[in-house]
Amino acid sequence: EAGVAQSPRYKIIEKRQSVAFWCNPISGHATLYWYQQILGQGPKLLIQFQNNGVVDDSQLPKDRFSAERLKGVDSTLKIQPAKLEDSAVYLCASSPLAGGPGEQYFGPGTRLTVT
Amino acid sequence: AQRVTQPEKLLSVFKGAPVELKCNYSYSGSPELFWYVQYSRQRLQLLLRHISRESIKGFTADLNKGETSFHLKKPFAQEEDSAMYYCALLIFNKFYFGSGTKLNVKP
Repeated sequence: EAGVAQSPRYKIIEKRQSVAFWCNPISGHATLYWYQQILGQGPKLLIQFQNNGVVDDSQLPKDRFSAERLKGVDSTLKIQPAKLEDSAVYLCASSPLAGGPGEQYFGPGTRLTVT
Repeated sequence: AQRVTQPEKLLSVFKGAPVELKCNYSYSGSPELFWYVQYSRQRLQLLLRHISRESIKGFTADLNKGETSFHLKKPFAQEEDSAMYYCALLIFNKFYFGSGTKLNVKP
């Protein structure tokens, strides 16, 4: 089966600019996650969707970050405006509704550099 | 507060030597714990989960509730085990990852 797809793979922007990331989960996977992974740290959950509803967004900086999952399939994560500390790899993952705990499938990530 | 602690950023061992990657967690309830691995130029993937009590690629991990630890062990390391390893804790459907340990297996 095709894996989780993410684009772009790399993005360089200046601070105060806007950026958007796209994720296409594995077909049929109900749950979608966005993680932020800063260099030297583990992934940190930003937002979790179940179909097109938000399950958890407690760690999403809502003053500048937004995410949506239209029709319960693809998802976009936006940062507006970006700050230097947003430089990180943004990982998307998906899991099947009936999957066992921990069964997340990760995409390749988008590496964002804010200058 | 850090939920998952991996004290070693880098662990270097020789091929054939035993390896133990440490993971400690902070949670008073019944934890669900996992090890994820990321090989060079590959995606993060699930290695094993404690509820399965399985051995994957020769790795095992035992949950020690008294010490709140979930260390990953392998008796004889192989060069292909070189990778980043992340311990993760699942609480109420939310994952908390440690900062990772880079395992380097030398020939």
